[in-house]
Amino acid sequence: QKEVEQDPGPLSVPEGAIVSLNCTYSNSAFQYFMWYRQYSRKGPELLMYTYSSGNKEDGRFTAQVDKSSKYISLFIRDSQPSDSATYLCAMKTSHGGNKLVFGAGTILRVKS
Amino acid sequence: DAGVIQSPRHEVTEMGQEVTLRCKPISGHNSLFWYRQTMMRGLELLIYFNNNVPIDDSGMPEDRFSAKMPNASFSTLKIQPSEPRDSAVYFCASSSGSGANVLTFGAGSRLTVL
Repeated sequence: QKEVEQDPGPLSVPEGAIVSLNCTYSNSAFQYFMWYRQYSRKGPELLMYTYSSGNKEDGRFTAQVDKSSKYISLFIRDSQPSDSATYLCAMKTSHGGNKLVFGAGTILRVKS
Repeated sequence: DAGVIQSPRHEVTEMGQEVTLRCKPISGHNSLFWYRQTMMRGLELLIYFNNNVPIDDSGMPEDRFSAKMPNASFSTLKIQPSEPRDSAVYFCASSSGSGANVLTFGAGSRLTVL
């Protein structure tokens, strides 16, 4: 079993829809939770990160962490065609070096 | 800052040839990472350096792969001899190494081994 599980999709939604992307993990030591966005033929770029549990909002994006369920989510409100990309979750412990563990990535397509 | 710079962007080579990928991290970042991305396996960490010293190379697939960081502004990933199964996009990323360790990725080097 992988440390971080993420459904690869693809997920196809109409413009304006609310999108929910999710990851589950097995390592209870993870404390930092990140979402990276990767456009086609580009490198991943950080979208948001949270420390420990709770929610974080940034414009149309909301990240949620539920450590009791080992489950994290990224919500995108009013999705736009420009949101079409691969979304990767990534996690890190607070000790043991700088190693990030990435999920497989979910391909999102927003249709206009 | 120009970001993380990788070269070459594309490389097509024949099986058995040596391949060298290059990376210039962001100035001031003290951690550097090499990742490989394929459809089948996703984004895999190959090796990472702190202050030019290799810290974790457990992801390096086999002895054919080697990485060096001779100074704070340059790193190489070498594959010798290359094999078709090495075909992938190789990303270099750098970070300040603190807290969440937010990575800044380069644009990647797409390698095709025939």
